[in-house]
Amino acid sequence: DTAVSQTPKYLVTQMGNDKSIKCEQNLGHDTMYWYKQDSKKFLKIMFSYNNKELIINETVPNRFSPKSPDKAHLNLHINSLELGDSAVYFCASSFSGGVYEQYFGPGTRLTVT
Amino acid sequence: KQEVTQIPAALSVPEGENLVLNCSFTDSAIYNLQWFRQDPGKGLTSLLLIQSSQREQTSGRLNASLDKSSGRSTLYIAASQPGDSATYLCAVRRVDSNYQLIWGAGTKLIIKP
Repeated sequence: DTAVSQTPKYLVTQMGNDKSIKCEQNLGHDTMYWYKQDSKKFLKIMFSYNNKELIINETVPNRFSPKSPDKAHLNLHINSLELGDSAVYFCASSFSGGVYEQYFGPGTRLTVT
Repeated sequence: KQEVTQIPAALSVPEGENLVLNCSFTDSAIYNLQWFRQDPGKGLTSLLLIQSSQREQTSGRLNASLDKSSGRSTLYIAASQPGDSATYLCAVRRVDSNYQLIWGAGTKLIIKP
């Protein structure tokens, strides 16, 4: 009974390609997030959706486009992949509001060659 | 601007020792602070969540404290075990900007058998 799941777990692709990462949560949460963890292990928020509405959109290249078809799903599509996009991407979810814990998926390790 | 710092960056101790991991943050205007564990190649597991009104939280051998006024939190691990080896991350939830989590870089902990 996985709480937050991501697919794929590993993604190796060449520069210039377009790829998508999918995320699903079965916790009944109304808010979902995408984070990027770089080689130095710093985690940075990229996007957040609340009830399918974009509420956080940090300084991320517009090659990255999130889509939330419903509250339980948040996908990340990346166009024209670059070497610098190589990182681990984490999906997370929570109830809305500041007091609730965030629960994380296992991560997707993206390698761009 | 909120910044989160974790010291030390790495720590290696013999099995059985009690140890303390430190987390400091620059802006005391937070909703809460969350401690996570990250195992190599795996996702993030939430360990403890301390609300801004609380002083500490306990779970098993783990005890986290929060001193909001001084911008500090500690994670105390009692009777350490090799299975505790992981990277420990702390993150604070901002009261503005849609409750974003701001992350430290983590402390890599190795427990030697």
